[in-house]
Amino acid sequence: DVKVTQSSRYLVKRTGEKVFLECVQDMDHENMFWYRQDPGLGLRLIYFSYDVKMKEKGDIPEGYSVSREKKERFSLILESASTNQTSMYLCASSSGQAGNQPQHFGDGTRLSIL
Amino acid sequence: QQPVQSPQAVILREGEDAVINCSSSKALYSVHWYRQKHGEAPVFLMILLKGGEQKGHDKISASFNEKKQQSSLYLTASQLSYSGTYFCGTDYNQGGKLIFGQGTELSVKP
Repeated sequence: DVKVTQSSRYLVKRTGEKVFLECVQDMDHENMFWYRQDPGLGLRLIYFSYDVKMKEKGDIPEGYSVSREKKERFSLILESASTNQTSMYLCASSSGQAGNQPQHFGDGTRLSIL
Repeated sequence: QQPVQSPQAVILREGEDAVINCSSSKALYSVHWYRQKHGEAPVFLMILLKGGEQKGHDKISASFNEKKQQSSLYLTASQLSYSGTYFCGTDYNQGGKLIFGQGTELSVKP
């Protein structure tokens, strides 16, 4: 079974802090994704990556950056956390041509910015 | 550009059927369906590719109408375990970037 592991289930940070969310997958998948999930809005794509050191903006990249130095790890960075970034963050991975392969999700990190 | 799911919520008794629709304003390459139970990760159900195919496993199936740019998820003889929020994700250009609908909350009661 594919395992996508997010480093924290719950995280509380202060406004202005730099926040790192980590995601690791164990199936050698090429594609990795970061989403945020808010009630009534579904899952919205922040950034995705098709290969090491490669990244593309999703629909809501403002205030976020990402890093993919190794194939199995994809990090989401909140450069200067703000209260409107309080949300559930989900990481996912998939193999091959991403449009016809399922995405496998981690359990999520519920982030609160105070 | 976000696909529209309908209904937003549905309550069923065990054994009843339900249909969840996912409509797009743009031509689709593929549609993904996922189910998420409260406090858990979304779980993949199925993918439908351009070509109007129908897929299914167990009592859950789906169709993809390319002309209407719409996919429907069919839940037959619902079980308590079907409760959760169902999301469709649409891929417009084979790029693998999915745009998810807002979700449909399904509750199955005994």
